[in-house]
Amino acid sequence: ELKVEQNPLFLSMQEGKNYTIYCNYSTTSDRLYWYRQDPGKSLESLFVLLSNGAVKQEGRLMASLDTKARLSTLHITAAVHDLSATYFCAVDRDSNYQLIWGAGTKLIIKP
Amino acid sequence: DSGVTQTPKHLITATGQRVTLRCSPRSGDLSVYWYQQSLDQGLQFLIQYYNGEERAKGNILERFSAQQFPDLHSELNLSSLELGDSALYFCASSASSGPYNSPLHFGNGTRLTVT
Repeated sequence: ELKVEQNPLFLSMQEGKNYTIYCNYSTTSDRLYWYRQDPGKSLESLFVLLSNGAVKQEGRLMASLDTKARLSTLHITAAVHDLSATYFCAVDRDSNYQLIWGAGTKLIIKP
Repeated sequence: DSGVTQTPKHLITATGQRVTLRCSPRSGDLSVYWYQQSLDQGLQFLIQYYNGEERAKGNILERFSAQQFPDLHSELNLSSLELGDSALYFCASSASSGPYNSPLHFGNGTRLTVT
């Protein structure tokens, strides 16, 4: 059974700091997705990582994928308050579009 | 704006009742997915339709059913509602039958409260 684990589940940090969210998954998959959700709102796609070694960056966020380690990271550089949200990773199970989701990391960035 | 429209935004109903949630996918998207998000269960995949046909089934209860119509909009029917069905229900769409290279596009959700 494919399991996706994120850590930490909760992160409170100061503006200007760097931090990394980790996403581990239990079986082979070459596709990993990162989403952002603001409280009570919809999920917004951030990154789609499709191969081992994939790295994508958008503003202060950078995501990477290591399929051999079954690990993806979401790195936040010089955090700003607007990045406060819950971040989810999801892994594609058997190319069947049954994305398996992590529990989410609630990120609070204090000004 | 993702282009995925869900109605209603909020729904309050009593136990034992039946409700219908509606979703219109992004223009051109053939796949519709339904998800349930609750505090204790997280984000759970319920069911997927592709071009009118059921494509994949997740943790969907027998009390729940869905369909996709010829105009590609979809409805999720929840019956014999229980308190535990209270959750945020999301619809998402994509152009293809699988995730592959593109992400899902989520609607704003329907918040269901069962009293």
